[in-house]
Amino acid sequence: AQKITQTQPGMFVQEKEAVTLDCTYDTSDPSYGLFWYKQPSSGEMIFLIYQGSYDQQNATEGRYSLNFQKARKSANLVISASQLGDSAMYFCAMRGTTGNTPLVFGKGTRLSVIA
Amino acid sequence: ETGVTQTPRHLVMGMTNKKSLKCEQHLGHNAMYWYKQSAKKPLELMFVYNFKEQTENNSVPSRFSPECPNSSHLFLHLHTLQPEDSALYLCASSRALGSYNEQFFGPGTRLTVL
Repeated sequence: AQKITQTQPGMFVQEKEAVTLDCTYDTSDPSYGLFWYKQPSSGEMIFLIYQGSYDQQNATEGRYSLNFQKARKSANLVISASQLGDSAMYFCAMRGTTGNTPLVFGKGTRLSVIA
Repeated sequence: ETGVTQTPRHLVMGMTNKKSLKCEQHLGHNAMYWYKQSAKKPLELMFVYNFKEQTENNSVPSRFSPECPNSSHLFLHLHTLQPEDSALYLCASSRALGSYNEQFFGPGTRLTVL
C-alpha cells in the first residue's frame, strides 16, 4: 500500500519569498512517480511537477522545483519568488508501477501568500 | 482553456433524484478517472477507465454508476444519494495508465445532496 503524508495543514509566506511544502511517502514499489498539484479555490486540480523515482536529477518547472530525497522518502515542493496567485491548496501524490495502482494523494497544504 | 471539462459545475439534488455528471476530455487520452473530494479528507479515487473499459472500482456504493461510452467521455450517474455524498467530484484523464503519466483534472462538480 502507498501512503502520502503532508504534515503542514497551512503555511504562510511573504510575497517574493521562497517556500517549501513538505511531503513524505511510503511505498513498497521499486519504481514510482511523484506528483504535485495545485488546487485554487475554483476547485480545479492543476498539475505542477513530476519526479520519477529513478530520475537522477530533481525536477524543475519554472518557479517550482522538487527536492527529492529518495533515502528519506521525501519529495518536498519548493516555490521560489512567491506570488499572490500561488495562494491555494497543494497536494502531493504518488503512483506505483505494480499493476494498475491508483494515484494516492496526501491531505494537502493550504498556502497563503501575504503581500 | 482546460483540456478536461465537467458539467454541471454545481448541482443540488434531493435524495430521491437521479442525475448525471458529465466529463469530456479533449487531450486524446486513453484513461479517465472519477475522484471524490470531501472536506478535510484526501482525494479518493472512485473509478478508472482505460480504453473505455473499467479497470478499477474502489469499493464505491452502487448508487454511483459510471459510464464510459468512448475514450473522450465519462459519466457518473447518481441515484438515491445520501447527504454524506455531498462533495466535489473531479474527473481526470491521462495518456495512459502508469506511474509516469500525469493526470489532468477538470474543474469539478460541486454536489450538494439535501
